[in-house]
Amino acid sequence: AQSVSQHNHHVILSEAASLELGCNYSYGGTVNLFWYVQYPGQHLQLLLKYFSGDPLVKGIKGFEAEFIKSKFSFNLRKPSVQWSDTAEYFCAVILPNTGNQFYFGTGTSLTVIP
Amino acid sequence: EAGVTQFPSHSVIEKGQTVTLRCDPISGHDNLYWYRRVMGKEIKFLLHFVKESKQDESGMPNNRFLAERTGGTYSTLKVQPAELEDSGVYFCASSRDRGTYNEQFFGPGTRLTVL
Repeated sequence: AQSVSQHNHHVILSEAASLELGCNYSYGGTVNLFWYVQYPGQHLQLLLKYFSGDPLVKGIKGFEAEFIKSKFSFNLRKPSVQWSDTAEYFCAVILPNTGNQFYFGTGTSLTVIP
Repeated sequence: EAGVTQFPSHSVIEKGQTVTLRCDPISGHDNLYWYRRVMGKEIKFLLHFVKESKQDESGMPNNRFLAERTGGTYSTLKVQPAELEDSGVYFCASSRDRGTYNEQFFGPGTRLTVL
C-alpha cells in the first residue's frame, strides 16, 4: 500500500544536539513533500515544502530537509535544537492530479531537554 | 486575518450519540479539507470541499459520517451514531484556489472521545 513512513516515533534530545527525523514515502512518480510541526497547544504549521529544484530545502526556524529521490526519502534536519523545538513533527505528501489532500506519516514526537 | 477555527475543542459523548463538529475556514478560501487522527496513527484525509461541492469524499470511513458545507462557507461533520473507534482528533484545513498548490492552513482540531 502507498504510505508515508516516519520511523522515529519519539525522540529525546538535549539542547544543542543535532536532529534528523526520517521520512520515507512509497509513491512512485512525482510527489510534493512537506514537513509540518505542531507545537503543544497550537495548530499544525508548515515548516517547509519541496516541489522541484534544489533537493535541499530550507524552512523556518533553522530547519531543512533533503529530498533523495533514489531513496524515496525526505528527512528533516536541524543542526542545533532548542527547547522551543519540542513539538510533534509530521511528514506529508501530496500526489499529482489530486485535490491537494495530504497523506501524512504517523508523526514524531520530539522532546528537547534544556 | 483570522485563522481556521473549529468548534468544539473537545467533545465527550457516549456510544450511540450524535456529535456535530464545525469548521470555519479562512475567509475566501474555497477549499476545505477534513482530516482525522486516531491516537497513535497518522492524520488521515476524510474529504475535500471546493466551495459547497464535495470534491473527494474517498476518505470518509462509513455512512455514519456526514459532511456539509452549505453556502460554501463553514462546514459541519456529523457522526451519527458515534462508535468507540470514532474517537480521535478531527482537523479542518482550508486553502485558496485549486490548481497549483496553495498552502493549507489548519485549525486547532476537535478532540472527540466516544465512551
